[in-house]
Amino acid sequence: LAKTTQPISMDSYEGQEVNITCSHNNIATNDYITWYQQFPSQGPRFIIQGYKTKVTNEVASLFIPADRKSSTLSLPRVSLSDTAVYYCLVGALGSTLTFGKGTMLLVSP
Amino acid sequence: DVKVTQSSRYLVKRTGEKVFLECVQDMDHENMFWYRQDPGLGLRLIYFSYDVKMKEKGDIPEGYSVSREKKERFSLILESASTNQTSMYLCATSGGGKEKLFFGSGTQLSVL
Repeated sequence: LAKTTQPISMDSYEGQEVNITCSHNNIATNDYITWYQQFPSQGPRFIIQGYKTKVTNEVASLFIPADRKSSTLSLPRVSLSDTAVYYCLVGALGSTLTFGKGTMLLVSP
Repeated sequence: DVKVTQSSRYLVKRTGEKVFLECVQDMDHENMFWYRQDPGLGLRLIYFSYDVKMKEKGDIPEGYSVSREKKERFSLILESASTNQTSMYLCATSGGGKEKLFFGSGTQLSVL
């Protein structure tokens, strides 16, 4: 399984765009990149998944460069309720996914 | 929406007790997973199952077993609970060819 590296924590203010980058240098051809969000005392929640280039949904955007060795989760105009831990996972469809320690995002007023 | 229900939100047990954590899903998903989450360690996979009566060890299976007699139910068993098994336990499911995991709300287990 490809190992991922992401910042332990990030700080932001309401209304700002937040970009969280994940490194996955040994990503395999069949691997997809998936991001989850977790609030305290809850299970993680799927945010977005992609294979290459750019994916956008109603919550976030995911940017993946051509070499796929990294990816960036972009949260537009964050609010206090976006304070959470964000996990980057890499793996092939059908494989088990390993969660790292994630990035703790703190959004302040 | 997929619903993943864990039987208890909080549980307190004594060392040496046999503990059952139950997880039920209502979406006919083939795959079910048990994770534990500890501060500073993220989520770690204990066991998973891709089908009824099938089980596979995850990264930290020691001290645990599982049972999947029906497709919708996946049980985690602590044969003899120990204090180092105090943790948040999370059940998850996936299926239909999609790798999106759906998690339950978790069971905070304290072993005294």
